[in-house]
Amino acid sequence: KQEVTQIPAALSVPEGENLVLNCSFTDSAIYNLQWFRQDPGKGLTSLLLIQSSQREQTSGRLNASLDKSSGRSTLYIAASQPGDSATYLCAVDGRGGGADGLTFGKGTHLIIQP
Amino acid sequence: DTEVTQTPKHLVMGMTNKKSLKCEQHMGHRAMYWYKQKAKKPPELMFVYSYEKLSINESVPSRFSPECPNSSLLNLHLHALQPEDSALYLCASSQDRDRGYQPQHFGDGTRLSIL
Repeated sequence: KQEVTQIPAALSVPEGENLVLNCSFTDSAIYNLQWFRQDPGKGLTSLLLIQSSQREQTSGRLNASLDKSSGRSTLYIAASQPGDSATYLCAVDGRGGGADGLTFGKGTHLIIQP
Repeated sequence: DTEVTQTPKHLVMGMTNKKSLKCEQHMGHRAMYWYKQKAKKPPELMFVYSYEKLSINESVPSRFSPECPNSSLLNLHLHALQPEDSALYLCASSQDRDRGYQPQHFGDGTRLSIL
């Protein structure tokens, strides 16, 4: 059974710092990996998707990397801002065949101090 | 603004009530999903529909009954729920995996409270 772990569980940093969130998964036979953001009481906003054949994806100040063989992904946030405060979830789509569900990590709760 | 619309946003019901949660998308996606998220926990998959057919049921109790009447709509019928079923229920959709590697798009969820 696929298991996803995220480190750290919580992180509080001053505004402007660059930071790295880590995600690891136990079964490397994945289709893709997605990073989401969740604000309190809200749904999930998709940030980046990395296909299994890709090494990284970038969107604005966000950069996600994937090392499928070692079962690891990182989300790099450059020049952090208070508006980046949220819970960041890593999820893998790891089953074969047709449409499938995601397996989520427990998330990293990020606070950016003004 | 989310492209997956869930109604209602909040629902309070007693253990003997029958209610339904609704999810709608108009992105032409043929896969739709229900997830349950307890407080301070990650979402957990409940059901997957592919081309309007139930393809995955993650051993969910029968008091939860999903329905996919057409390719744009997904319902979750609730009956005789327990207090521990109180949670945020999230709907998602995606292109079916056979069409390529597509992200899942999530709605804002329905926050359900069982009295």
